[in-house]
Amino acid sequence: KQEVTQIPAALSVPEGENLVLNCSFTDSAIYNLQWFRQDPGKGLTSLLLIQSSQREQTSGRLNASLDKSSGRSTLYIAASQPGDSATYLCAVPLGGYQKVTFGIGTKLQVIP
Amino acid sequence: EPEVTQTPSHQVTQMGQEVILRCVPISNHLYFYWYRQILGQKVEFLVSFYNNEISEKSEIFDDQFSVERPDGSNFTLKIRSTKLEDSAMYFCASRGQVGYTFGSGTRLTVV
Repeated sequence: KQEVTQIPAALSVPEGENLVLNCSFTDSAIYNLQWFRQDPGKGLTSLLLIQSSQREQTSGRLNASLDKSSGRSTLYIAASQPGDSATYLCAVPLGGYQKVTFGIGTKLQVIP
Repeated sequence: EPEVTQTPSHQVTQMGQEVILRCVPISNHLYFYWYRQILGQKVEFLVSFYNNEISEKSEIFDDQFSVERPDGSNFTLKIRSTKLEDSAMYFCASRGQVGYTFGSGTRLTVV
């Protein structure tokens, strides 16, 4: 059974800081890993998808890395802005089209 | 950008009533899912659906739940007799080449 853990549970940083969110998973036989953003009471917005064969993926100020063998992924946010305040979720499907297991998320607050 | 559309955005129902949550997945996706998130908790898998049948379901998805794809575009989740503990945000998702796309959710409140 896949378990996904995200550390820290909450993070508060001043605007402009670079930050790293961590995700670990217990079963390394994953197909890919996806990072989502969730605003309070809202849906899940996909940020980045890393295939199991990739080491990292970038989109704008976001960079996600994947180390399958150690069961870890990180989401790096550069030059944080107040609009980045949200909960960030790591999601891992075991197989290509199988169910996704989510972490509890990291709640990020960027202070102006 | 293609979207997964869910309706209604919020539904309030009395305990024991039936509810149907509706979703329109992305048109060329073949795999569909329902997840739920109880307030303050993890997003949990309920059921996956492929080729007009359930491919996997969780322990949460008991006989009170059912899914249907009544036509070529809609995907529904029915809860037959709602309980207070069914209060949650329900997310529909579909799977394509670029990963999972989730809808904005239906907040179900059972009173």
